[in-house]
Amino acid sequence: EDQVTQSPEALRLQEGESSSLNCSYTVSGLRGLFWYRQDPGKGPEFLFTLYSAGEEKEKERLKATLTKKESFLHITAPKPEDSATYLCAVQAVENNDMRFGAGTRLTVKP
Amino acid sequence: GAVVSQHPSWVICKSGTSVKIECRSLDFQATTMFWYRQFPKQSLMLMATSNEGSKATYEQGVEKDKFLINHASLTLSTLTVTSAHPEDSSFYICSARWGRSGTQYFGPGTRLTVL
Repeated sequence: EDQVTQSPEALRLQEGESSSLNCSYTVSGLRGLFWYRQDPGKGPEFLFTLYSAGEEKEKERLKATLTKKESFLHITAPKPEDSATYLCAVQAVENNDMRFGAGTRLTVKP
Repeated sequence: GAVVSQHPSWVICKSGTSVKIECRSLDFQATTMFWYRQFPKQSLMLMATSNEGSKATYEQGVEKDKFLINHASLTLSTLTVTSAHPEDSSFYICSARWGRSGTQYFGPGTRLTVL
């Protein structure tokens, strides 16, 4: 069965303190891995899609990378406005279903 | 990115009444739409998948007679919570996708409170 595990569950950073969020996955055939950001009381906002190992994508202070077993979301010099829950999801080739991880709650203190 | 809207953003209703939530893709045609519910501090739970013009496919444990889904056009899906009870209170989020695979774009969510 496809599985997605995100770690840590929660992460508290000082403003400017860079870190990484992890998304480990097992899937029979990966069609795509997705990162979303979710603010409290709102729907998830799309960030990145990664399709193959070695692929990297960047947006402002965020950079997502992908290997055959995991993905990292690197946050460089975070600001308080980066505080949110970051969700990772994988889509399998065989059924196109998207399976979400439980998320990482990121808090960035000024 | 693609825009998905939901209406209403929040609703309060009495136990036993029915509530309809609309999900619209505003700038693309959504061949597939999804409905999720989310409890506080938990991740998204997929309720059902609907393809335009077809009956929705419900996840195990989701009552199809209680959560009626209609995907009548390529830009509109509706979720009707019938005979709502307090335990149905939750955050309901829809998402939409063009094609059989690829990125899902999410709506802003609807907070349902059943008294």
